Amino acid sequence: GENVEQHPSTLSVQEGDSAVIKCTYSDSASNYFPWYKQELGKRPQLIIDIRSNVGEKKDQRIAVTLNKTAKHFSLHITETQPEDSAVYFCAASSGDSWGKLQFGAGTQVVVTP
Amino acid sequence: NAGVTQTPKFRILKIGQSMTLQCTQDMNHNYMYWYRQDPGMGLKLIYYSVGAGITDKGEVPNGYNVSRSTTEDFPLRLELAAPSQTSVYFCASSSPGNNSPLHFGNGTRLTVT
Repeated sequence: GENVEQHPSTLSVQEGDSAVIKCTYSDSASNYFPWYKQELGKRPQLIIDIRSNVGEKKDQRIAVTLNKTAKHFSLHITETQPEDSAVYFCAASSGDSWGKLQFGAGTQVVVTP
Repeated sequence: NAGVTQTPKFRILKIGQSMTLQCTQDMNHNYMYWYRQDPGMGLKLIYYSVGAGITDKGEVPNGYNVSRSTTEDFPLRLELAAPSQTSVYFCASSSPGNNSPLHFGNGTRLTVT
């Protein structure tokens, strides 16, 4: 089955700096890669996703890149703000697995003013 | 739309007790899922369903049962609760279609002592 590894486990950045979280996956059939943000005590919420036919996707200050050959994908947050502080999870699934997402262990991001 | 609604929000069980975690969605989603999230970890899939009357095991199904008698409801049953089942449980749903995003409920925090 799919195995997703996520690094780093914690990330401290100064407000205004960029944050990068990296994930690797094992199943070459995986073709959908969402990123979820989870604030303390809240539910995970989708912030951006990318499909295997696209190499990069951007939404305002958030971007995701995918390297299918190397089987890794990354989340980039630019101009970080205190409200970006949360746990971020990457996930991967294959086309026939619907919501059977395999999640990474998460990255605690702390943005200090 | 209320989205995905889970009850209860919190529950403390004694070892050996049983309970049902309720989940209902009003988005007419065919697909529903139960995930558990242990402290500091990502989410692991317990069971999922692709439609009424159809359920299947995920990554960590032992100690749990589900049913899907209607499109809206997907209860999770714990029989003979064990301390290892202490976790936060998230129900999610998605619409048909390749790699549709998951919509999560607010979670149920369960402690087994």
